[in-house]
Amino acid sequence: QKEVEQNSGPLSVPEGAIASLNCTYSDRVSQSFFWYRQYSGKSPELIMSIYSNGDKEDGRFTAQLNKASQYVSLLIRDSQPSDSATYLCAVTDNYGQNFVFGPGTRLSVLP
Amino acid sequence: DTGVSQDPRHKITKRGQNVTFRCDPISEHNRLYWYRQTLGQGPEFLTYFQNEAQLEKSRLLSDRFSAERPKGSFSTLEIQRTEQGDSAMYLCASSLTGLAGQETQYFGPGTRLLVL
Repeated sequence: QKEVEQNSGPLSVPEGAIASLNCTYSDRVSQSFFWYRQYSGKSPELIMSIYSNGDKEDGRFTAQLNKASQYVSLLIRDSQPSDSATYLCAVTDNYGQNFVFGPGTRLSVLP
Repeated sequence: DTGVSQDPRHKITKRGQNVTFRCDPISEHNRLYWYRQTLGQGPEFLTYFQNEAQLEKSRLLSDRFSAERPKGSFSTLEIQRTEQGDSAMYLCASSLTGLAGQETQYFGPGTRLLVL
């Protein structure tokens, strides 16, 4: 049974700070990792995908992957109140099937 | 707007009634997924199709649930004899098979079901 774990939060950071969101997964064959943002009452929207160890940057977002530690994180620089949402970590296997989502971390960026 | 549409957006029904939801994926996407999400939880996988073939079903999908994708385009999810525990957001996502494992799922707006 694959498991994806995230701290449920809420994680509160002041505006302009760096928000750090963490995710661990249990299945060593997991190959693809995704971060989705979900506003209350809305559906998830993709922020980042990462497939290789190391860092991947896209604007204010940086995803970090460490397959040996089975750990993936998302850093949000210069956090804005509009970043306040639930962030979902999703993990899948080499065939792109069996997406497993974590429970999400609720982020609150305080003005 | 991701290009994935779902209908209806909201559904209120009485316990014991049947309900059917529709999902229209992004047109060139060959994979279509159904998820269920309850408050405070991440989406839970229900089933997925590659073209018209239903390739996997979760243990969560009891015999009251059935899904179809008859022509490999839109899909329907039917819940028979609804129970109050079926109240949830039902999400559809679609993707295009690409490099092994490197496919991205795009979600529709969801159908929120309330069973009274």
